[in-house]
Amino acid sequence: DAGVIQSPRHEVTEMGQEVTLRCKPISGHDYLFWYRQTMMRGLELLIYFNNNVPIDDSGMPEDRFSAKMPNASFSTLKIQPSEPRDSAVYFCASSFQGYGTEAFFGQGTRLTVV
Amino acid sequence: SQQGEEDPQALSIQEGENATMNCSYKTSINNLQWYRQNSGRGLVHLILIRSNEREKHSGRLRVTLDTSKKSSSLLITASRAADTASYFCATDLGYSTLTFGKGTMLLVSP
Repeated sequence: DAGVIQSPRHEVTEMGQEVTLRCKPISGHDYLFWYRQTMMRGLELLIYFNNNVPIDDSGMPEDRFSAKMPNASFSTLKIQPSEPRDSAVYFCASSFQGYGTEAFFGQGTRLTVV
Repeated sequence: SQQGEEDPQALSIQEGENATMNCSYKTSINNLQWYRQNSGRGLVHLILIRSNEREKHSGRLRVTLDTSKKSSSLLITASRAADTASYFCATDLGYSTLTFGKGTMLLVSP
């Protein structure tokens, strides 16, 4: 397996634009997580899915953020409209069983909102 | 607030020396995991230690867990320049998610 695949690797957009980040988890993994990493706040969990169903989205900062998982092999994180404070590295991770097992991370998407 | 806090924030050593990083956490855990992140890359899992374990080894890595003190340590022996990275502890509270600390930046100089 190629691991968790995220696209794009880098995204630069203007304030107010819609941004969509994409993730393909490892095949067979039932859990998918979206994290955001900044220098100030470290690594924050935004939302996670189990078997394509959103379980906990309490980490999503605002209504401008939304995430979907239409099938077991694809998830999106959308920001609309984007703001400069959304600039961060966004990671997708997947795991086989959730708690008690390791998480496999993608390479991340570095988002810059100007 | 952060569940896990690594200490020190940054560590600079010479190749061949040992590196020790510590992690403190606040609430009872199911297990604790350590991850490495190279610059510009994703996190990579290193080792998992369960709440009923006190010590675990993997190659040059040694992890200890003291649940009474709510702390863990990661020891990297005979460090190499390739060990230069940020190291994170992550606590698993049993709710299917991991909570990460802010990490320790390790610099190993040749």
